[in-house]
Amino acid sequence: AQSVTQPDIHITVSEGASLELRCNYSYGATPYLFWYVQSPGQGLQLLLKYFSGDTLVQGIKGFEAEFKRSQSSFNLRKPSVHWSDAAEYFCAVGPPGGSYIPTFGRGTSLIVHP
Amino acid sequence: KAGVTQTPRYLIKTRGQQVTLSCSPISGHRSVSWYQQTPGQGLQFLFEYFSETQRNKGNFPGRFSGRQFSNSRSEMNVSTLELGDSALYLCASSLEGGYTEAFFGQGTRLTVV
Repeated sequence: AQSVTQPDIHITVSEGASLELRCNYSYGATPYLFWYVQSPGQGLQLLLKYFSGDTLVQGIKGFEAEFKRSQSSFNLRKPSVHWSDAAEYFCAVGPPGGSYIPTFGRGTSLIVHP
Repeated sequence: KAGVTQTPRYLIKTRGQQVTLSCSPISGHRSVSWYQQTPGQGLQFLFEYFSETQRNKGNFPGRFSGRQFSNSRSEMNVSTLELGDSALYLCASSLEGGYTEAFFGQGTRLTVV
């Protein structure tokens, strides 16, 4: 069965500092990979996705993620965090090319200090 | 254009009752997917509808069902409510469903007492 692990429940960074949120997955093949953000009281918004090809993926709001097959990881990064980035971040995986049945990680709560 | 609208926003039900939640997708979107978000289990995929047909289903008991109408609006029904069904239920709509970009509503907060 596929699974997603986000090892950090909470991460605190200062505004302007760099950010890396970790995501590891367990899957038989290379799955489709996603990062979503959820602001308080809101639904999810897709930040970026990886299907195949270039392992460094650029997303919205200045985020990027790197797929590393050898480590089964898809970590999310941002060079300089803004206070508005404070939110819950979810990594998700899904079976490649087939049925849409995503599996989500438990989420990482990002706290940004001024 | 208007986003995804979920109604009601908040709901309180008693154990054993049933509940119906509604999701109106973005105009022109043919796919609606549903998710359950709880502190204990996190975010889980319930099912996806496309052009009135359930296309994919997550691992939930048969008490959870849904349907989609010809105007793409979708409803989700939970019968015989349990305390553990208390959750934020999110729906998302997309043009073609599957892994095409989906837009989420703000959710319906269901509390079962």
